Amino acid sequence: QVQVVESGGGVVQPGRSLRLSCAASGFTFSTYAMHWVRQAPGKGLEWVAAISYDGSYKYYADSVKGRFTISRDDSKNTLFLQMNSLRVEDTAVYYCARDLGLISFYFDYWGQGTLVTVSS
Amino acid sequence: QLVLTQSPSASASLGASVKLTCTLSSGHSNYAIAWHQQQPEKGPRYLMKLNSDGSHFRGDGIPDRFSGSSSGAERYLTISSLQSEDEADYYCQTWGTDIVVFGGGTKLTVL
Repeated sequence: QVQVVESGGGVVQPGRSLRLSCAASGFTFSTYAMHWVRQAPGKGLEWVAAISYDGSYKYYADSVKGRFTISRDDSKNTLFLQMNSLRVEDTAVYYCARDLGLISFYFDYWGQGTLVTVSS
Repeated sequence: QLVLTQSPSASASLGASVKLTCTLSSGHSNYAIAWHQQQPEKGPRYLMKLNSDGSHFRGDGIPDRFSGSSSGAERYLTISSLQSEDEADYYCQTWGTDIVVFGGGTKLTVL
């Protein structure tokens, strides 16, 4: 069955970096766009970034543009989110989500999330 | 500006039906949306994609107790035969020019 599992979260100081991973299984990873969505404690969902099925197109929320980079390794069925210059307001659970297709901006499978805490 | 508006809370009795609303901002009434459910302490789950004409496509394993409908700029999620596990946050979601937008979510309480 389709599964996406996030990892790499933790506690990090403001200004530092962190790299999240999302391991995908149960589907042909290279034929789907993928997304990162986050949820601050007690708040709603906020889309972070997307990457097309072939990695040629990348999209970012204004709040992370220039600091975060989304990438994928189809040989390892893995999605990444490189987060640099982290801020306290980046504290959230980060979810990996599969797109409905090549790049539709709708999500049909979500992971359980990984918690990132930015604190001094 | 593309905005989705949801009521913060809703409640209904066990076994009854409830209709949740998501309203698209002016000028975007022809947009499709998706509905997602988030049970307490869990990741979200995709329920369906809902088009402006009311046609909807449920995700894998989503029971037909969950249905969608549309009227103008309003998008609805109806849950019938409410069960205790339906108590959750429900988010609508759409996309604009290279961005994704979520509504603020509706917290559904099953009485």
